[in-house]
Amino acid sequence: DQQVKQNSPSLSVQEGRISILNCDYTNSMFDYFLWYKKYPAEGPTFLISISSIKDKNEDGRFTVFLNKSAKHLSLHIVPSQPGDSAVYFCAARSGGSNYKLTFGKGTLLTVNP
Amino acid sequence: SQTIHQWPATLVQPVGSPLSLECTVEGTSNPNLYWYRQAAGRGLQLLFYSVGIGQISSEVPQNLSASRPQDRQFILSSKKLLLSDSGFYLCAWSPPDRTYEQYFGPGTRLTVT
Repeated sequence: DQQVKQNSPSLSVQEGRISILNCDYTNSMFDYFLWYKKYPAEGPTFLISISSIKDKNEDGRFTVFLNKSAKHLSLHIVPSQPGDSAVYFCAARSGGSNYKLTFGKGTLLTVNP
Repeated sequence: SQTIHQWPATLVQPVGSPLSLECTVEGTSNPNLYWYRQAAGRGLQLLFYSVGIGQISSEVPQNLSASRPQDRQFILSSKKLLLSDSGFYLCAWSPPDRTYEQYFGPGTRLTVT
């Protein structure tokens, strides 16, 4: 039962353009959503989070949007840079468990110079 | 600032051999600690978490175990490795009051042969 889904295994964009990474979820009990960035052979790096009571959170070039009615989450990166090329994981925490994050399978973003 | 260390970075072990992976956190007190595994082509799966010394919760039944002998030390062990134990093992920590923000170590690549 995949509660957090990232349906696009890969995405390719041009430097300077917008990257939009998408994530869908099924569990209405999720209270926090997060995005992580991961380079090969390294641990994931926390990027940005959003509470389920909000619909937008912005941090520099990164903005996360939450549409609770659609159970959809997206990460916008503007402008995209070659150093953004990595695997991006969407994750969610269940309000019923204070500790467990459920991760999607990841989307490989490639930003072309 | 907080840092998290894991070792070894890579490990090749034969089936049936024991395992011990260590994780330590610096720069924080009373962190929550986590062990995750990423199998090939899959997202991160939570294996164990700990909210204090000697307190371990298991998320997935398996032949692995975890221990927390000190506040900032977390150990993942096995008495006899299986081929299916191969994967990328990640330790993470979170502030006890913001458990949705989990910060990952560099990971250990385990190959069971």
